[in-house]
Amino acid sequence: AIRMTQSPSSFSASTGDRVTITCRASQGISSYLAWYQQKPGKAPKLLIYAASTLQSGVPSRFSGSGSGTDFTLTISCLQSEDFATYYCQQYYSYPLFTFGPGTKVDIK
Amino acid sequence: EVQLVESGGGLVKPGGSLRLSCAASGFTFSSYSMNWVRQAPGKGLEWVSSISSSSSYIYYADSVKGRFTISRDNAKNSLYLQMNSLRAEDTAVYYCARVYDYGARGWVDIWGQGTMVTVSS
Repeated sequence: AIRMTQSPSSFSASTGDRVTITCRASQGISSYLAWYQQKPGKAPKLLIYAASTLQSGVPSRFSGSGSGTDFTLTISCLQSEDFATYYCQQYYSYPLFTFGPGTKVDIK
Repeated sequence: EVQLVESGGGLVKPGGSLRLSCAASGFTFSSYSMNWVRQAPGKGLEWVSSISSSSSYIYYADSVKGRFTISRDNAKNSLYLQMNSLRAEDTAVYYCARVYDYGARGWVDIWGQGTMVTVSS
């Protein structure tokens, strides 16, 4: 089974910061990676698919990059509504999805 | 508006059963693969099961194989998860999730609001 890891597991940041979250797959997954945002008590929301394609309606301050085993999610200018937990998910082994453990971004 | 609404969660004793439902609206349900994904309290997301648009292909996570059964009724725009032999570790919010199929693969693009399942004596 493909295992996903994320780093860091959590961190504090300030509004306006540029933040980067890393996701790593235990084996090559090409670009079959999605990123989700989840706020407390809410369902996850799709941000990015195919490693770098922004889902319709998602602000352009979010971007994704990477292929193979190493991926990043970048928020160029952190806004108050971006404080949340972010998950990566591989779909290379579709339909057997695997999620990363999540990265919590909170207010410094 | 595209919407998924889960129901059927609740408190059940270990070894008991529960059936979750997910009502879909705002899209052609019969054209999409569907998933169940769960999240234990304070934990991350765990894929549980997947069913193709015509129910031809069904998959389960090892953690639920042999105990859970996924099904769908395209005429009723509904997805189901029959959960038997429930364990404490099955306690979680269960999300219904639509898969956007693209070529040979797909990703989850729409999530329901979730329904809580608590397994406790």
